[in-house]
Amino acid sequence: GESVGLHLPTLSVQEGDNSIINCAYSNSASDYFIWYKQESGKGPQFIIDIRSNMDKRQGQRVTVLLNKTVKHLSLQIAATQPGDSAVYFCAENNNDMRFGAGTRLTVKP
Amino acid sequence: NAGVTQTPKFQVLKTGQSMTLQCAQDMNHEYMSWYRQDPGMGLRLIHYSVGAGITDQGEVPNGYNVSRSTTEDFPLRLLSAAPSQTSVYFCASGHRGLTEAFFGQGTRLTVV
Repeated sequence: GESVGLHLPTLSVQEGDNSIINCAYSNSASDYFIWYKQESGKGPQFIIDIRSNMDKRQGQRVTVLLNKTVKHLSLQIAATQPGDSAVYFCAENNNDMRFGAGTRLTVKP
Repeated sequence: NAGVTQTPKFQVLKTGQSMTLQCAQDMNHEYMSWYRQDPGMGLRLIHYSVGAGITDQGEVPNGYNVSRSTTEDFPLRLLSAAPSQTSVYFCASGHRGLTEAFFGQGTRLTVV
């Protein structure tokens, strides 16, 4: 069936470096994608979203890229900070919202 | 605004017991949903609702019931708890359409 998945379960980066977290999706009809950040013991929090009619969207220190040809989504975090350490999920919203397995980002000082 | 409020935060049940996980939102959101999160896995959709009186099954609905009698509340019922239902449960809400969802802080349920 259709699913949202992530390429890598863990990612470790040095403080100040850029981070890239990837996500593959299989439903080519998906119109809307969201990245969430989940810190330990908390619920997921919205980071950034993108609609299928766009291929790039930027926020504060974060950028989401959408490649519909290969059904791939990525989250780029600039100048990664210790506070960015968390699990990151991509999700696709087609009337209901489905999540991938998540990538744990660890930032080394 | 309180946002999305889940109660209780922690619960231990014996196999076969029933209970209801409560979820309330004060943002007048049409869409509400329940997820479970197991270690090493993402959030799996149990049930969702796009408005009062309307509910639908998600990816893993078996063993769970829901109802949506008001816009604000979306309780999740376990009729006969099983150890396989040990998990962290998250409730989320949002406006209908292509918008983000807001999550509660979660309920950690252990079934022994």
